[in-house]
Amino acid sequence: NAGVTQTPKFRILKIGQSMTLQCAQDMNHNYMYWYRQDPGMGLKLIYYSVGAGITDKGEVPNGYNVSRSTTEDFPLRLELAAPSQTSVYFCASSYSGNTIYFGEGSWLTVV
Amino acid sequence: GENVEQHPSTLSVQEGDSAVIKCTYSDSASNYFPWYKQELGKRPQLIIDIRSNVGEKKDQRIAVTLNKTAKHFSLHITETQPEDSAVYFCAATAAGNKLTFGGGTRVLVKP
Repeated sequence: NAGVTQTPKFRILKIGQSMTLQCAQDMNHNYMYWYRQDPGMGLKLIYYSVGAGITDKGEVPNGYNVSRSTTEDFPLRLELAAPSQTSVYFCASSYSGNTIYFGEGSWLTVV
Repeated sequence: GENVEQHPSTLSVQEGDSAVIKCTYSDSASNYFPWYKQELGKRPQLIIDIRSNVGEKKDQRIAVTLNKTAKHFSLHITETQPEDSAVYFCAATAAGNKLTFGGGTRVLVKP
């Protein structure tokens, strides 16, 4: 049972490049989330999904896109990367929005 | 939507003393209140949670209390140890909704 798996763990992007952060969970959770955490700061919700085919914006969605074609996968797409997107990204999942289980995080630097 | 405020933002205690972190929430429909611990460079991990039909819950040296009338809940750590040093986050959610996190409390336990 792997839980929530994120890839890549570390990535350096140049300004204007695009990339996708992958997230998969094997707990059959219906809810999935993407959070970002800037250095020394709290967790800000980017996007979330309550089930396959359904996504919704969180607190800081600008510059990101998501899709949820299956229950297991919830990739986060960064288009036209900017220095302000330098952060640690956590994918998470839960059953019906209660206890959240986080992935190990993806450290992204935009230079 | 839900708003969660957390205090203090930093807390320094002597080893063996107690630590208390307080959170307030705005949505009276919220009924699930977890606490997460995040060590440096690691993912947030659930340490204890409480539901709105319970006023207090204890697990070894940690306890959480909930006052629904005042809409606040607190984390209590007794007999603090150096390994308790971390950032702690409270959160709140109504059934089936997304978790909203507090801003975090950095706890430093001095030996």
